[in-house]
Amino acid sequence: RKEVEQDPGPFNVPEGATVAFNCTYSNSASQSFFWYRQDCRKEPKLLMSVYSSGNEDGRFTAQLNRASQYISLLIRDSKLSDSATYLCVVTLSGSARQLTFGSGTQLTVLP
Amino acid sequence: EAGVAQSPRYKIIEKRQSVAFWCNPISGHATLYWYQQILGQGPKLLIQFQNNGVVDDSQLPKDRFSAERLKGVDSTLKIQPAKLEDSAVYLCASSLVETNSYEQYFGPGTRLTVT
Repeated sequence: RKEVEQDPGPFNVPEGATVAFNCTYSNSASQSFFWYRQDCRKEPKLLMSVYSSGNEDGRFTAQLNRASQYISLLIRDSKLSDSATYLCVVTLSGSARQLTFGSGTQLTVLP
Repeated sequence: EAGVAQSPRYKIIEKRQSVAFWCNPISGHATLYWYQQILGQGPKLLIQFQNNGVVDDSQLPKDRFSAERLKGVDSTLKIQPAKLEDSAVYLCASSLVETNSYEQYFGPGTRLTVT
C-alpha cells in the first residue's frame, strides 16, 4: 500500500466551479500535512499547510481528519491559473523533516 | 533572494553512460535534498544532507547512485552506469533547520532521458 494515496484525476472543471481533492495516508504516526502545487514541467511549491482545525487561504480550504487518516483540499471559484497538479504531502514524527509525496491530482480549469 | 539553482536543465544519455547533476541551495539553508520524480508520480527522496553530513540515504540505489556535499553548500548527484528506468526529473530542494516550518524550496530540476 502506498504511504500517501491520491486520485490522479484528471479533474476537468469549468471556471468558477468548486472542486475538491482527497488524500489518504497509511501511517498513523504522520505528523504534519501539506498541499504542494506543481505546474506543468515546473518544480513543486508549497500551497498550504493542513491543520487539524482546518485552515483557509482565500479560495483554498484544507482539512485534516486524523481518525480517518484523510486530508482534503477544496478550491472555490476556480480560475484558469489554478490548473496544475496538486500533491498531498505528509511527514512522519522524527523523520528529520522528510516529506513523503503522493502522486498528485491533475486539475485543468476550462474557460 | 536567489532560489535553488540546478544544472544542467536537460540531459540525454545512453544507457550505461555516466551523468552528474549539480545543485546550489538557497544561501543559509543547511539541509539539502535530492529527489527523483518519475513521470506521473510524486517526488521520491533519494538523499538528505545536513551541512556536509548525510542524514538519510536509505532510498538511494547505492550500486549506481552517489551524492556528495563536501563543503556543506553545493551538491552533486551522480549516476554510473545509467539505466533506462533512471529517466526522470531530478529535483534538488533546500530548507532551513532553525525553523518550525517544514517548507522545502525546490530547484527547477534536471530532466534526464536515458536511451
